[in-house]
Amino acid sequence: GAVVSQHPSRVICKSGTSVKIECRSLDFQATTMFWYRQFPKKSLMLMATSNEGSKATYEQGVEKDKFLINHASLTLSTLTVTSAHPEDSSFYICSARDLGAGLGIEQFFGPGTRLTVL
Amino acid sequence: AQSVTQLGSHVSVSEGALVLLRCNYSSSVPPYLFWYVQYPNQGLQLLLKYTTGATLVKGINGFEAEFKKSETSFHLTKPSAHMSDAAEYFCAVSGDYKLSFGAGTTVTVRA
Repeated sequence: GAVVSQHPSRVICKSGTSVKIECRSLDFQATTMFWYRQFPKKSLMLMATSNEGSKATYEQGVEKDKFLINHASLTLSTLTVTSAHPEDSSFYICSARDLGAGLGIEQFFGPGTRLTVL
Repeated sequence: AQSVTQLGSHVSVSEGALVLLRCNYSSSVPPYLFWYVQYPNQGLQLLLKYTTGATLVKGINGFEAEFKKSETSFHLTKPSAHMSDAAEYFCAVSGDYKLSFGAGTTVTVRA
């Protein structure tokens, strides 16, 4: 149980285009979803926290107009990288949790999406 | 605020030898502590977690960790390393709803 999927697993795009990454909780309802960014050989950096039906809370230094997050349902959150540039190339990982289902405070992680901007 | 420090960015062990990964935490509230493993180009897999109760926590794949409040530590061990243990390991702490990760430790296993 508690499986999180991400789509696509990898994407290559041209500079200036927008890219959407989906994060789905497959067998539980995710009241809260998190988006992380990971640079090569580095740790995970929390970008934002989203609760279903409300605006995402962004961490300091993360451009909310660049990284649009939508959590429209209890099983789906999307991250849109707008007007992507090469410096946005990274590994993006989502996680989800549901306090109400007895899953505790544990976050369940998706497999990640490798974004390469040319 | 919470934070973790992983001592040693790279650990190399021989197959069959003890694996010891060190993690120290800082937390203003009683912490929840986690160890995750990440294989190349994959997401994170939970190895084990400490919330409350028994301070020696057993996880998957033969790993265990001990919560020592007096030392603010949560070191990860495995008695006998296997080639499949080669990966990146992250310690994380949560005092509220957020996870704060350490910088990670890369484990290589020598045949």
